[in-house]
Amino acid sequence: DAGVTQSPTHLIKTRGQQVTLRCSPKSGHDTVSWYQQALGQGPQFIFQYYEEEERQRGNFPDRFSGHQFPNYSSELNVNALLLGDSALYLCASSGINSGANEKLFFGSGTQLSVL
Amino acid sequence: GQQLNQSPQSMFIQEGEDVSMNCTSSSIFNTWLWYKQDPGEGPVLLIALYKAGELTSNGRLTAQFGITRKDSFLNISASIPSDVGIYFCAGQLGSNYQLIWGAGTKLIIKP
Repeated sequence: DAGVTQSPTHLIKTRGQQVTLRCSPKSGHDTVSWYQQALGQGPQFIFQYYEEEERQRGNFPDRFSGHQFPNYSSELNVNALLLGDSALYLCASSGINSGANEKLFFGSGTQLSVL
Repeated sequence: GQQLNQSPQSMFIQEGEDVSMNCTSSSIFNTWLWYKQDPGEGPVLLIALYKAGELTSNGRLTAQFGITRKDSFLNISASIPSDVGIYFCAGQLGSNYQLIWGAGTKLIIKP
């Protein structure tokens, strides 16, 4: 049983570019959350997708957008990249009966470097 | 963004020692969670707490949900080398879907 898978594992972009990160949730999970983790910090909530809709959003600008597909996989898009967007981007999935946040399963993340 | 106050920032311990770390907040949480993150990996859930005063164990790990609902602590007994890593507390406000995280406690075992 595959866990949460994210791609790519590492990415280097330049300022102003756009990036798309991908996430496949754990089998049986239908909810996907995205977090940004800066070096030496705890994760910060970006948004959560459920039933192909953004259910809740954290304090991130509109440059950050997402999508959830019918197979529950998800994408995170970041436009007009800034140096400060350099971070580890974590995807987490949970199941329909797992409550708001218990039993979150995290992927290994995508390390984004903006030069 | 909002973060929990987690301390200590790092700990240098001898193998076999007990470890204690805690998290505090100015807000009331209805769920407290403790995660461990190894290098190059995502966080892994260790213990989940749902009621004020709740004390829960997972092997050598014990965590408590503070009575005021504004704090939580994690204890690790008889530390072993594989305990090395970064431990995070995280909390949930009301029926909010997001988790609020601490900045982490880095556990290092002295050679």
